[in-house]
Amino acid sequence: AQSVAQPEDQVNVAEGNPLTVKCTYSVSGNPYLFWYVQYPNRGLQFLLKYITGDNLVKGSYGFEAEFNKSQTSFHLKKPSALVSDSALYFCAVRDQGYSTLTFGKGTMLLVSP
Amino acid sequence: GAVVSQHPSWVICKSGTSVKIECRSLDFQATTMFWYRQFPKQSLMLMATSNEGSKATYEQGVEKDKFLINHASLTLSTLTVTSAHPEDSSFYICSAARGQVYSAEQYFGPGTRLTVT
Repeated sequence: AQSVAQPEDQVNVAEGNPLTVKCTYSVSGNPYLFWYVQYPNRGLQFLLKYITGDNLVKGSYGFEAEFNKSQTSFHLKKPSALVSDSALYFCAVRDQGYSTLTFGKGTMLLVSP
Repeated sequence: GAVVSQHPSWVICKSGTSVKIECRSLDFQATTMFWYRQFPKQSLMLMATSNEGSKATYEQGVEKDKFLINHASLTLSTLTVTSAHPEDSSFYICSAARGQVYSAEQYFGPGTRLTVT
């Protein structure tokens, strides 16, 4: 079985400050990890993924995430938040041996001016 | 590349009628497509996985006779909500996998907002 936990329903940060959106996962094999962003009434936009290799993954719009195997975490980070980053963020995992993605419940990021 | 479209983007229908939603991979061939359902402020719940030319695999609790999925070609999958009821109102999102599904990344469509009155 595979599962994802996003412990925060909402993260508030001031523009210009660094942001972190947390994600932990559970899989039986090797994880494929993803971050997506969703704006109101829109589909999901891909931000970044970890498949193998370097634990620090850089993605779109200045976002990055660090794969930590010992802590089974894949937190999303950005050094300097923008108001336009305000959206719903989903972490997802897929066990290497499975075809389906499992999504976390989502974390709403609110960046204040 | 890797663009997925959905049509319509939103639809309002009367209770008891059927609604068809199309999902197309515009610039790649998708051997596998996925259908998700999302309620307001909630996560995506996988409804079914469809492979071109074969029957869809439905997740537990999803009525296959109510949510008919057809994957007739490598670029088109359709979801038909039959005899729709207000509780079927939701945001439906499809995704498509390019290449071997076990190593493939999924590309998501923009979603379809269904409202049943």
